[in-house]
Amino acid sequence: KAGVTQTPRYLIKTRGQQVTLSCSPISGHRSVSWYQQTPGQGLQFLFEYFSETQRNKGNFPGRFSGRQFSNSRSEMNVSTLELGDSALYLCASSLGTSGRTGETQYFGPGTRLLVL
Amino acid sequence: AQSVTQLGSHVSVSEGALVLLRCNYSSSVPPYLFWYVQYPNQGLQLLLKYTTGATLVKGINGFEAEFKKSETSFHLTKPSAHMSDAAEYFCAVKNSGNTPLVFGKGTRLSVIA
Repeated sequence: KAGVTQTPRYLIKTRGQQVTLSCSPISGHRSVSWYQQTPGQGLQFLFEYFSETQRNKGNFPGRFSGRQFSNSRSEMNVSTLELGDSALYLCASSLGTSGRTGETQYFGPGTRLLVL
Repeated sequence: AQSVTQLGSHVSVSEGALVLLRCNYSSSVPPYLFWYVQYPNQGLQLLLKYTTGATLVKGINGFEAEFKKSETSFHLTKPSAHMSDAAEYFCAVKNSGNTPLVFGKGTRLSVIA
């Protein structure tokens, strides 16, 4: 099976612009989670989508949004970019089974966003 | 709320020496625990995880970790370090299937020849 893919891998934007990142999960996976990774804050959870619905949301401002399509592919959007949004954005997919399961999240290679 | 503390942001070992990366967690219910590794310019790869059952968990690349409930710890070990083990290691916890993973700050492992 192909792994989680993320596009683009690298992106340079300027302050005030908006950006859309894409994530294609492993085939059969219905849950997609997004994380922001920075040297200062580490890995922080942004949101999770399951069956086109947001199931969990982290503590990020409303400029950060996402969506999931019927084929489980997901996009995240950041509007009005700030310098502090420079980070590695990681997408992870999992089967999405409910209940108390320790299912594994499989991560993509990430999109490195630089805001100038 | 659940949280993870990784002691030591940077650990350096000699090639062939024991690797010990420390992870302590806090959780109000029995947790699921994970160790991930991240190589430069790559995403995270699962090394091992604890869900239920045997408290000593074996993972890939010779790593293992032991869940100690009384100490709220899940330390990662490898008997003999290899140069290829140099990477950043993340411990993570989650409480149920529908809660997000909470990661520690990470420990950068350097292996000296």
